Amino acid sequence: GNSVTQMEGPVTLSEEAFLTINCTYTATGYPSLFWYVQYPGEGLQLLLKATKADDKGSNKGFEATYRKETTSFHLEKGSVQVSDSAVYFCALTYNTNAGKSTFGDGTTLTVKP
Amino acid sequence: KAGVTQTPRYLIKTRGQQVTLSCSPISGHRSVSWYQQTPGQGLQFLFEYFSETQRNKGNFPGRFSGRQFSNSRSEMNVSTLELGDSALYLCASMQQGSTGELFFGEGSRLTVL
Repeated sequence: GNSVTQMEGPVTLSEEAFLTINCTYTATGYPSLFWYVQYPGEGLQLLLKATKADDKGSNKGFEATYRKETTSFHLEKGSVQVSDSAVYFCALTYNTNAGKSTFGDGTTLTVKP
Repeated sequence: KAGVTQTPRYLIKTRGQQVTLSCSPISGHRSVSWYQQTPGQGLQFLFEYFSETQRNKGNFPGRFSGRQFSNSRSEMNVSTLELGDSALYLCASMQQGSTGELFFGEGSRLTVL
């Protein structure tokens, strides 16, 4: 079956540090890939997405590139802020099954001033 | 546009009881999915409804059930509650024809004593 593996957390960074959260997936065909973010006490919200190989999703300074050859979708940000502290989830879905997404375990990011 | 609304936000039940959770999707979204979030298992897909029909189902026992109404509002029910059912239950809606991005509610936190 499909699966998503995220780097284990938690991750603690100082403000303005560079962020990478690794995500690899196991799936057949060409799923769409997503990063969601969950702030304390809230549901998940979409951060960015990519729907085909070599696509780069970006939003709020975060980026991730869909790498088919390495089955990866690593999340990066050049300079994190305290407000970026949250839990980040990598996920995949197929358009034909779009209501059913497979999520990674989540990575907790804490940014210290 | 109003977001996904889940009620109740918090509830406490005892073992053996049953519970019903409600979800109102974003206006115009006809797909509603339910996920269980726990610290140990992460985000697990329960089921998805589209136009009042269950379109996808996860690997949960029959104690977990759901339905969708003609206005796209959805309910999920858990019967004969067990301690292990304590979790955050997230509802997500999706626009038909999209690439699978989910819009989540804030969740219903269920505690089973």
